[in-house]
Amino acid sequence: EIVLTQSPGTLSLSPGERATLSCRASQSVGRTYVAWYLQRPGQSPRLLIYGASNRATGIPDRFSGSGSGTDFTLTISSLEPEDFAVYYCQQFGSSPTFGQGTKLEIK
Amino acid sequence: EVQLVESGGGLVRPGGSLRLSCAASGFNFSISSMNWVRQAPGKGLEWVSSISSRSTYLNYADSVKGRFTISRDNAENSLYLLMNSLSAEDTAVYYCVRDTWRGFDSWGQGALVSVSS
Repeated sequence: EIVLTQSPGTLSLSPGERATLSCRASQSVGRTYVAWYLQRPGQSPRLLIYGASNRATGIPDRFSGSGSGTDFTLTISSLEPEDFAVYYCQQFGSSPTFGQGTKLEIK
Repeated sequence: EVQLVESGGGLVRPGGSLRLSCAASGFNFSISSMNWVRQAPGKGLEWVSSISSRSTYLNYADSVKGRFTISRDNAENSLYLLMNSLSAEDTAVYYCVRDTWRGFDSWGQGALVSVSS
């Protein structure tokens, strides 16, 4: 099983600041199989990024993804109030796994 | 518009069984791989099981293997999860999720399963 470790566990920032979220895999993962999800309180998760760096439909361009191999990053260039939520990375190879999540909270 | 609507959740005693259903609409269900993903209260996401479009390939997380069975009825646009030998550790919101080459691109609203005596 591929274990994904996200850091930090909690990130405290202010609106307008830049957020950088990390996801490290226990073994190399093809970029095609890396995704990021956003979950707001009381809502279902939503696909943000697929193929490590491609924005899903309707996702604003302040969200970007990068990385390869075992290290992947989600960047939010300038935080909006609605961005404060929990973010999960995922690899969806033969047996999908999720990271434990990063909570982005208002400072 | 893609819609996934789960049903069948509820309170069940330890050792009991429950069957979740997911009604799909707004897309070609018969060619889509599907999944169940769960989220325990206050916890993160855990993939539970997946099924290919024609039920050829089934896959389960180790935590549920031998106890849960995923199935689908393409004629009815429905996905199912039969859960046996339930324990408190299975208490969670269970999401029905569509699987595409982009990842898990559509999620239902979730069904709460509570296992308690």
